[in-house]
Amino acid sequence: QQQVKQSPQSLIVQKGGISIINCAYENTAFDYFPWYQQFPGKGPALLIAIRPDVSEKKEGRFTISFNKSAKQFSLHIMDSQPGDSATYFCAAINSFSGNTGKLIFGQGTTLQVKP
Amino acid sequence: KAGVTQTPRYLIKTRGQQVTLSCSPISGHRSVSWYQQTPGQGLQFLFEYFSETQRNKGNFPGRFSGRQFSNSRSEMNVSTLELGDSALYLCASSFWGGNTGELFFGEGSRLTVL
Repeated sequence: QQQVKQSPQSLIVQKGGISIINCAYENTAFDYFPWYQQFPGKGPALLIAIRPDVSEKKEGRFTISFNKSAKQFSLHIMDSQPGDSATYFCAAINSFSGNTGKLIFGQGTTLQVKP
Repeated sequence: KAGVTQTPRYLIKTRGQQVTLSCSPISGHRSVSWYQQTPGQGLQFLFEYFSETQRNKGNFPGRFSGRQFSNSRSEMNVSTLELGDSALYLCASSFWGGNTGELFFGEGSRLTVL
């Protein structure tokens, strides 16, 4: 019940295309869903995040879509660029249960954007 | 503002040895969390410290331990190393904790156990 399932494991997209990464969760107590971006040799960095009372959040070319009833959320990267090539992790946290700092991460998606 | 600093960046140990990893959080951040990253298991939560107290712990054996000092710097220790402990160990800091998911990660300490 604590898992966050992420797909696909890897993704190849042409420059200018749309990259879509999907995540699903079971624990309805999760109340915050961040996405992290990780480049080789670096630690993950927060990209964008959403709470379940919002169905969509957009920041530049990055959009999170959230479907509370289906317990699914997804990251869309519009106009994908080679510089977006990285590993993306979705995550979830129950921020009201004292699970501070305890993010539950998906398995990660390695994105390659071809020029 | 300096980011999260982890030392050492790379280290090689043999089975049965122990290792201590260090993390200096962003100035002003009081919460430090540790994660283990492996290709097979992904990112897994080890523990979190806030004001020198362990506030949360993941599902790892007792060989994994940590502590936090009064200046918020943290160390984690792994005793009696096993081959399966080979991983990237990531430290993350935040002001209050991970309630909003806004953790700031260091670049990690890559441990290889031979």
